[in-house]
Amino acid sequence: SSELTQDPAVSVALGQTVRITCLGDSLRTYYAGWYQQKPGQAPVLVIYGKNNRPSGIPDRFSGSSSGDTASLTITGAQAEDEADYYCNSRDISGDHLVVFGGGTKLTVL
Amino acid sequence: QLQLQESGPGLVKPSETLSLTCTVSGGSISSSSYYWGWIRQPPRKGLEWIGSIYYSGSTYYNPSLKSRVTISVDTSKSLFSLKLSSVTAADTAVYYCAVSVAGSSEVAWFDPWGQGTLVTVSS
Repeated sequence: SSELTQDPAVSVALGQTVRITCLGDSLRTYYAGWYQQKPGQAPVLVIYGKNNRPSGIPDRFSGSSSGDTASLTITGAQAEDEADYYCNSRDISGDHLVVFGGGTKLTVL
Repeated sequence: QLQLQESGPGLVKPSETLSLTCTVSGGSISSSSYYWGWIRQPPRKGLEWIGSIYYSGSTYYNPSLKSRVTISVDTSKSLFSLKLSSVTAADTAVYYCAVSVAGSSEVAWFDPWGQGTLVTVSS
């Protein structure tokens, strides 16, 4: 199966912009989804596809993709954005298989 | 909108079978628009996709778990189920059910998720 690689931890100053990246061969074929998970809570989809936000997700969250890398950008990070972020996509190695990245812990300073 | 709720035992003995159900409300489990999935998260670790099922009954499993996993759907009760056999302590995790939309990339994007249920494997 394919893998998605994320940096384990990223930090950003309050109000600044941060980019979280996800690397994997499957991203050359399939778009990524991005999830925010706060302690003790279920993950929430924040970005999917080329750059789409589900209803209720603030527009400071955006997504992009180039080659084998997908990125989640938070423009003007807020204290409440401190969370774990996971990317995922369809797996290129089999029919309808799914793969998740290892997650990135975002700290807002 | 769709809502999902997991249920099942919180404690399972080693070598036994873990069984969970996910009840779906706010939409039809028989819809051709959705895939119904299970994802788990061991304590202090990342997310792992277990498998998904289509309304037709077609199933797709993580290769690393395939030999031990069965996912089924009961359209009459609007629920789908997970069975994981021969469990060990490594299967201790929060188990989530979630839904994705049928499509090329979309099948991987889960929204929404259930609240999750912690299953501990211990004697």
